[in-house]
Amino acid sequence: DGGITQSPKYLFRKEGQNVTLSCEQNLNHDAMYWYRQDPGQGLRLIYYSQIVNDFQKGDIAEGYSVSREKKESFPLTVTSAQKNPTAFYLCASSIVGRTGPMNTEAFFGQGTRLTVV
Amino acid sequence: QKEVEQDPGPLSVPEGAIVSLNCTYSNSAFQYFMWYRQYSRKGPELLMYTYSSGNKEDGRFTAQVDKSSKYISLFIRDSQPSDSATYLCAMRVSGGYNKLIFGAGTRLAVHP
Repeated sequence: DGGITQSPKYLFRKEGQNVTLSCEQNLNHDAMYWYRQDPGQGLRLIYYSQIVNDFQKGDIAEGYSVSREKKESFPLTVTSAQKNPTAFYLCASSIVGRTGPMNTEAFFGQGTRLTVV
Repeated sequence: QKEVEQDPGPLSVPEGAIVSLNCTYSNSAFQYFMWYRQYSRKGPELLMYTYSSGNKEDGRFTAQVDKSSKYISLFIRDSQPSDSATYLCAMRVSGGYNKLIFGAGTRLAVHP
């Protein structure tokens, strides 16, 4: 079945550590996104990528980094510079450059819950 | 002021009730409007999609867009306990990459 896989489901980070969240999709989508979800604040865009080897900052990119070496993969690193990393992280993908039917819209993975310990 | 405003609830209704969920927005350039349903500790799933103004119906769900008032709604008829979830509205402009702007989400509980 086609879909988006995020791993791990739960992740614990010590102060000062960098951690990497995995996101893989087999939908053949060009675009991939990382969102952060905090209680009562909806989803906020961290980074997005429309094509391999290219990505742009979203609204809250500070303290995060990404790479897009393969179409299927878009890992997110939460660095020690991110002062409040505890949140639910969601990866999504979509078709780029087309507007219209529902199947061009963003589809989400099941999320990774990151907690600082 | 946020671009998209959505009452976070929680909203509690009895089984069988008609539920109305709403969002307002400030950017008149938004053309595509979506509703996502998110169960606890899961990723959002796309529920309804509407382009520009008008209504769209899918089973027990109806999405309405009123661009003149910058107001969108999702109606759930004959609500079921399985509808208990957080409902997020999302919208975007036409063209470019698909940057979605999300509301905060409304938590809905349907009790038997």
